[in-house]
This record gives sequence, C-alpha cells and structure tokens, in this order.
Amino acid sequence: AQSVTQLGSHVSVSEGALVLLRCNYSSSVPPYLFWYVQYPNQGLQLLLKYTSAATLVKGINGFEAEFKKSETSFHLTKPSAHMSDAAEYFCAVSVTSGTYKYIFGTGTRLKVLA
Amino acid sequence: EPEVTQTPSHQVTQMGQEVILRCVPISNHLYFYWYRQILGQKVEFLVSFYNNEISEKSEIFDDQFSVERPDGSNFTLKIRSTKLEDSAMYFCASSTDLYYEQYFGPGTRLTVT
Repeated sequence: AQSVTQLGSHVSVSEGALVLLRCNYSSSVPPYLFWYVQYPNQGLQLLLKYTSAATLVKGINGFEAEFKKSETSFHLTKPSAHMSDAAEYFCAVSVTSGTYKYIFGTGTRLKVLA
Repeated sequence: EPEVTQTPSHQVTQMGQEVILRCVPISNHLYFYWYRQILGQKVEFLVSFYNNEISEKSEIFDDQFSVERPDGSNFTLKIRSTKLEDSAMYFCASSTDLYYEQYFGPGTRLTVT
C-alpha cells in the first residue's frame, strides 16, 4: 500500500535561508508525487508534480523537488525563503487503483522569521 | 484562472442533522473527488465520481454519506445523520482526466455540536 511520511510538522527558517521540507513515500508501483501548499483560509494549490519524467521538478514560486528512487524521497526545496512562503505544505502520492486518488502526508507548517 | 469553489465555507450543525456540502468543479473537468481533514490529521480520500457514478470510495464513506451531481455544474456531498466525529474540513477536487493533477477547492469546515 502507498503511504507518505512528512518529517517535521513545523519548520522555521529565517527569511533568505534555504527551505527544506522532507517527504518520503512508500509505493509498490512507480509513483506520481505532488507537493501542495495551503495558505490560511484557502484551498490546496499545486506547487509541483513528478510524473516519471525529469527527476528534478521545478514548480511555482521558486520551489523545486527531486525524486530520488533509491531514497524513496521527494523533498521540497527553495534556495531563499520569503515571508510569503509561510503556509502549510502537503506531500501526496497518487494511487492508481481503479481511480486516481491521492494519499497525503500529515503536512508541514512553514514559518518564516524576519 | 478557473477554480473549484465550495459553499458554505463554514457549516455548524447539530448531531443527527443532515448536511449538504456543495462544490462547483472546474467546468471541463470530468473526475470529481471529496477528501476530508480532521483537525491535526491527514487529508483523507473519501470518494471519487465519474460519469455520474461512484468510481471508488474509502472505508470512511459509509452509508451515511452520498454524493450527487444534480446538474451540469454542482457536485454535492451529503451526510445523512451527522456525528461529532464528522467534524472536519471537507475538500472537493476535480481533474480533467484520470492521470492529470487534481485541483482543490478552499474547503468547507463542518462543525458538529
């Protein structure tokens, strides 16, 4: 069965510092992987996705993630944090078992310090 | 940019009452989903819907839940007799095709008292 683990429910970084949000997955078949961001009182917005093409995926707002099969990881990074990056971030893996449902991680709340 | 919308944003109901959560998916999308997130827990899949029928449902989606696409634009989730444990944020999502990314609405926060 597929699963997703996000290490660190809360992460704090200084403005301008590197952002690293960790996601490890478990999947018996090649996965599709996603990062979503949720700003307060808003829905889940797709940041980026991995669908078996390039292993380094670039997304919106300067974020990128690298698919590492050997480590079963899909960590999200951004070289320089901005105050507007403060939000909750969810990693998800797709499950193609008849339909295409997502399995989500528990989320990581990113705080950016001035 | 097209987006998924959900109403209401917050619903408070008493235990045992019926609630209907409404969603308007993106207009050319064909696949529709409901997820929920109990406070402090994971976002969980509830049900997927295609071609006017349920494609798949989770074990959470018991006989108290139903979904419907009553017209060409709305997609609803009904909970017949709410329980305290149904309190959660409910997200609707839609996608153009089976292997395309899902677009999520802003959610409806359901509080059962």
